[in-house]
Amino acid sequence: DAGVIQSPRHEVTEMGQEVTLRCKPISGHNSLFWYRQTMMRGLELLIYFNNNVPIDDSGMPEDRFSAKMPNASFSTLKIQPSEPRDSAVYFCASSLVAGWNQPQHFGDGTRLSIL
Amino acid sequence: SQQGEEDPQALSIQEGENATMNCSYKTSINNLQWYRQNSGRGLVHLILIRSNEREKHSGRLRVTLDTSKKSSSLLITASRAADTASYFCATAFSSSGGYQKVTFGTGTKLQVIP
Repeated sequence: DAGVIQSPRHEVTEMGQEVTLRCKPISGHNSLFWYRQTMMRGLELLIYFNNNVPIDDSGMPEDRFSAKMPNASFSTLKIQPSEPRDSAVYFCASSLVAGWNQPQHFGDGTRLSIL
Repeated sequence: SQQGEEDPQALSIQEGENATMNCSYKTSINNLQWYRQNSGRGLVHLILIRSNEREKHSGRLRVTLDTSKKSSSLLITASRAADTASYFCATAFSSSGGYQKVTFGTGTKLQVIP
């Protein structure tokens, strides 16, 4: 079975540019999560979707960040304009929602560097 | 904060030895999960223990949960060089919005020396 697929794997861009990260969750999973991982702050939940609807976006740092899930098989995380402090590894994860005791399945992340 | 705290932050052992990592958390949980992260990769789920369970095994992994002390431990027996990775605990709890929220700890970096 295909796991969670993220693209691109690496992104290097200059500050001020728009960055779009993409995620394809595991087929049949109803929940999707975006995380950011840095050495200083560890793994932070940015936003959580359930059945394509944002449930908890309290972790989104500021208005420069936005996330969408237009259908069950695709989500994007956009940063506009990007800043050097946004440099991190961004992970997408998905899980079944049928029962609460469900593990999350992570993609391999997008390593983002803002110069 | 619901975030779990792992202890120790880093652990270095010889191949064949056992490795024990601990996780403490702050409030009531529905379940606690352990994940592994290899360098440059995403987190991989290892084991989930529900709040009404005290111990769970999976291969060389043994997880215990003590809800009275709000702590869990992960034991890896007969460690191998391939076990070198960071290990995270994650606590799942009911949020005020009625959905399950999961927060991750800061991780234990395990090095197994061949």
